[in-house]
Amino acid sequence: QSVLTQPPSVSAAAGQKVTISCSGSNSNIGRDYVSWYQQLPGTAPKLLIFQDDQRPSGIPDRFSGSKSGTSATLAITGLQTGDEADYYCGAWDRALSGGLFGGGTKLTVL
Amino acid sequence: EVKLVESGGGLVQPGGSLRLSCGASGFAFSNFYMSWVRQAPGKGLEYVAIIEEDGSHQYYVASVTGRFTISRDDAKNSVYLQMNTLKVEDTGTYYCARGRFLTGFDAWGQGTLVTVSS
Repeated sequence: QSVLTQPPSVSAAAGQKVTISCSGSNSNIGRDYVSWYQQLPGTAPKLLIFQDDQRPSGIPDRFSGSKSGTSATLAITGLQTGDEADYYCGAWDRALSGGLFGGGTKLTVL
Repeated sequence: EVKLVESGGGLVQPGGSLRLSCGASGFAFSNFYMSWVRQAPGKGLEYVAIIEEDGSHQYYVASVTGRFTISRDDAKNSVYLQMNTLKVEDTGTYYCARGRFLTGFDAWGQGTLVTVSS
């Protein structure tokens, strides 16, 4: 069981907005940066957000990240069918001296 | 273009060993942390190991400490994962990734499948 907790699934209609939460603790999200990854079926993960709210070049501004205390959120606006994927949060845990990924959230676009 | 290509996966019996390789191109390899992340079939991502830019420090998930060793050869633009005393639960796709949690893993290879089974 992952120390970073994500909802197993979320869904929303095309064109709408969806948010995915990632809940941690003071030893990980509360003290270190969060990153977010998108994994399309059968492919390698792709970095969407780093350092809580920064987008790499080439990532559309439909994707945004935020953090408050020990929780982080990925928001996706203007949903497209191509956004159907698994989404993972990640952070370093200082108590474990190791990295953590959330359990992943499957996004379905209705 | 940044490219990472893994190799070395395959079928191995419990207790056996494998050495994974990851060749990098398109960037100044020696300037980056490099990492291995794995994914069991149908499961989520799991951090395995990270090595600093100069190779001076390595970090491992607790479940592989003492069994796996990450190393790098900057002259060959390559990072390696030596896996010993393999267990059934080590089965999965192993990804090579550029970076670390602080900065995000901003480039990934296609993955190599490791199957531990008798």
